[in-house]
Amino acid sequence: SQQGEEDPQALSIQEGENATMNCSYKTSINNLQWYRQNSGRGLVHLILIRSNEREKHSGRLRVTLDTSKKSSSLLITASRAADTASYFCATPYTGANSKLTFGKGITLSVRP
Amino acid sequence: EAQVTQNPRYLITVTGKKLTVTCSQNMNHEYMSWYRQDPGLGLRQIYYSMNVEVTDKGDVPEGYKVSRKEKRNFPLILESPSPNQTSLYFCASSLRQGMNNQPQHFGDGTRLSIL
Repeated sequence: SQQGEEDPQALSIQEGENATMNCSYKTSINNLQWYRQNSGRGLVHLILIRSNEREKHSGRLRVTLDTSKKSSSLLITASRAADTASYFCATPYTGANSKLTFGKGITLSVRP
Repeated sequence: EAQVTQNPRYLITVTGKKLTVTCSQNMNHEYMSWYRQDPGLGLRQIYYSMNVEVTDKGDVPEGYKVSRKEKRNFPLILESPSPNQTSLYFCASSLRQGMNNQPQHFGDGTRLSIL
């Protein structure tokens, strides 16, 4: 079953603008991950934030985690056309599998 | 270069004709997993393997088989493919998954069409 749900489903912005994507989840987690998928390609890991972290940066990416609200956000600053992709949040499943459960993704379009 | 390699990338075949999608990783990862991606349904796990000779079902295992005889390889077998298995398939690996802190590395995907 789906653990993480991203919001919005689709986002279209102009190059240079910031893009904010949100993820909500249902159960307690010890980490949350964000992935990017370019059209026709596999998912690429972007960033992992642990439950004891509130914010993490990687280049133009900033991820926040609010465990009290069970939500995370991914901010891409100064977006570029090359950021056009689908973005997924992933959370660990708490069962024996210890798998990652992915949301359905956010489609980001950055217009040049 | 660290990578997960899937073959074939594209395949069109007919109902009932057995096929195998290979997956190989060169990172000495313990954990490997197969997903299928369908519009509106996101990524769903088919099977996973915690280590050599250890495999288990994911969310949608019906119609699929896997094996893990070597650490680097994790083939996905469709014994009798049906049209509802038409999908985009991804293999992924991570160092280990028990700690829940490992990023997964994905292959580029295999687009299967079953006619």
